[in-house]
Amino acid sequence: QPVLTQSSSASASLGSSVKLTCTLSSGDSGYTIAWHQQQPGKAPRYLMRLEGRGNYNKGSGVPDRFSGSSSGADRYLTISNLQSEDEGDYYCETWDSNTRVFGGGTKLTVL
Amino acid sequence: QVQLQESGPGLVTPSGTLSLTCAVSGGSISSSNWWSWVRQPPGKGLEWLGEIYHSESTNYNPSLKSRVTISVDKPKNQFSLKLTSVTAADTAVYYCARVGFLTSIFGVITIEGIDIWGQGTMVIV
Repeated sequence: QPVLTQSSSASASLGSSVKLTCTLSSGDSGYTIAWHQQQPGKAPRYLMRLEGRGNYNKGSGVPDRFSGSSSGADRYLTISNLQSEDEGDYYCETWDSNTRVFGGGTKLTVL
Repeated sequence: QVQLQESGPGLVTPSGTLSLTCAVSGGSISSSNWWSWVRQPPGKGLEWLGEIYHSESTNYNPSLKSRVTISVDKPKNQFSLKLTSVTAADTAVYYCARVGFLTSIFGVITIEGIDIWGQGTMVIV
C-alpha cells in the first residue's frame, strides 16, 4: 500500500502564500490524493482531490485561495493570501481498492 | 446535504469493547458511497480503521483487523464500529466519514477519498 510523507510543520505570514507538500512512496507516483484541513479543536474538512496530472476538484465552499498541483510523486496544496483561519493541520489521504492511508499531517502556523 | 453524527459511550473499560454508531442524514446509506471510520489519538494524526458498503462488503486496516468490526443498518440509515480488547492506546477522537466515488463514462464506479466528515466523538479507555 502507498505511504504518504508530509513535513511536520510550515509557517508563513498573513497575506502571503504557502505550498504544502505530500510525497507518495516510490512506485506510487500515479495515485490521486485528497487534502483535508483540520482547524484547532475541529473535525477535518475535505478540501480537494488532486490527480497525478495536476487536475484538482475542490469541495463545496472551499475558497479560491486553495489550489492543488502535482509533480512526479509530489502533491502540493497552495494557499494564497493566507488568513488567520487557515492555521491548523493539513492531511493528505490516498487509497486503493481495499485500503486507505493518511499522511502524518503538516501543522501550518500563520505568522 | 449529507451530515454524519457519531454517538456512543465516551468512556470504555480496558479489555472491553468500544461501540459507536454513525447516523447518516440528508442522504441514503444505500447510495454508491462507502462509509468509513477514522480515529485521532490526542495530539496525533489520523488513522483509518475501516469502511463498509451498503452490501456489507468491508475493508479494514490490517493493523487492527482482528479487533475491528464495521456493520451497516440500512433501515436506520446508520453504520457502526466495534473495537474489542481496548487499551489506553485506543483513546482517541473517533470520526465517521463518507467516502466519495466517481462514475466513468462507461458507468464504472471507482472509490475516491473521504469527502464528508462527522464532528467526531471522544472515547477514553
